[in-house]
Amino acid sequence: DQQVKQNSPSLSVQEGRISILNCDYTNSMFDYFLWYKKYPAEGPTFLISISSIKDKNEDGRFTVFLNKSAKHLSLHIVPSQPGDSAVYFCAASARYGGSQGNLIFGKGTKLSVKP
Amino acid sequence: DAMVIQNPRYQVTQFGKPVTLSCSQTLNHNVMYWYQQKSSQAPKLLFHYYDKDFNNEADTPDNFQSRRPNTSFCFLDIRSPGLGDAAMYLCATRDGYAGTDTQYFGPGTRLTVL
Repeated sequence: DQQVKQNSPSLSVQEGRISILNCDYTNSMFDYFLWYKKYPAEGPTFLISISSIKDKNEDGRFTVFLNKSAKHLSLHIVPSQPGDSAVYFCAASARYGGSQGNLIFGKGTKLSVKP
Repeated sequence: DAMVIQNPRYQVTQFGKPVTLSCSQTLNHNVMYWYQQKSSQAPKLLFHYYDKDFNNEADTPDNFQSRRPNTSFCFLDIRSPGLGDAAMYLCATRDGYAGTDTQYFGPGTRLTVL
C-alpha cells in the first residue's frame, strides 16, 4: 500500500509559468515532508522541506504548501525554467512515529519546462 | 565540497556473478542508507546503518548484504544477481544528531545484469 502518492506521472509547463506538483499521503503519523529533484543518471538532490507545524515554506522560486487536514502537499515553482525539467520526488517521515528517520518516497512526477 | 560518492557509476555483471557496490561520504554523517530504484518507481529502502547498528528492511532479499567498515564507507554486496536486480542503487546519508530527516544522496550506480 502506497503511503505517499504522486498521482501525476508527468507535467508539462511553459517557461515563465508556474509549475505545481502534488503529493498525497495516507499515514497521519508523517510529520516531516521533503521534495527531491532528480536528473537522469544522477541521484536525487534535496530541494526543500516542511515540518508539520508549518503550512508553508519558501526558498527562492520554490514554495511547499502543506494541508494536514487533506493530507496533501504541493510544490510550486515560480517562474519555471527549462533547467527545472527533472523528476520530482515527494518524501515523508514520521520523526516522532518510530520511523527512525526513514523516508517514504512517492513514485515521482516528471516535469518538462518548455522554452 | 562535502559529498556522497558512489563507485562505480555503471556496473555490468553476469547472472549469478557476485558484485559489490561502494559508497563513501565526506559529510561525516552517522546514518547511511542503501536504496534500490527501478524505472518509474519510488526508491526502495534496502538497509540502513545508524552508527554501527545495522537495520535490514523486512522485504530486502537475502541475496543483498551490506557492510560498513567505518563511518565513511558503506558497501552493498549482491551475492547472486538475477535479472530482476538490474536497477539504480542509491546511497544516502543523514546527520542523525541534527534533528532533521533530510537525506543526501550520491549519484547512484546503474547495475546491468546480463
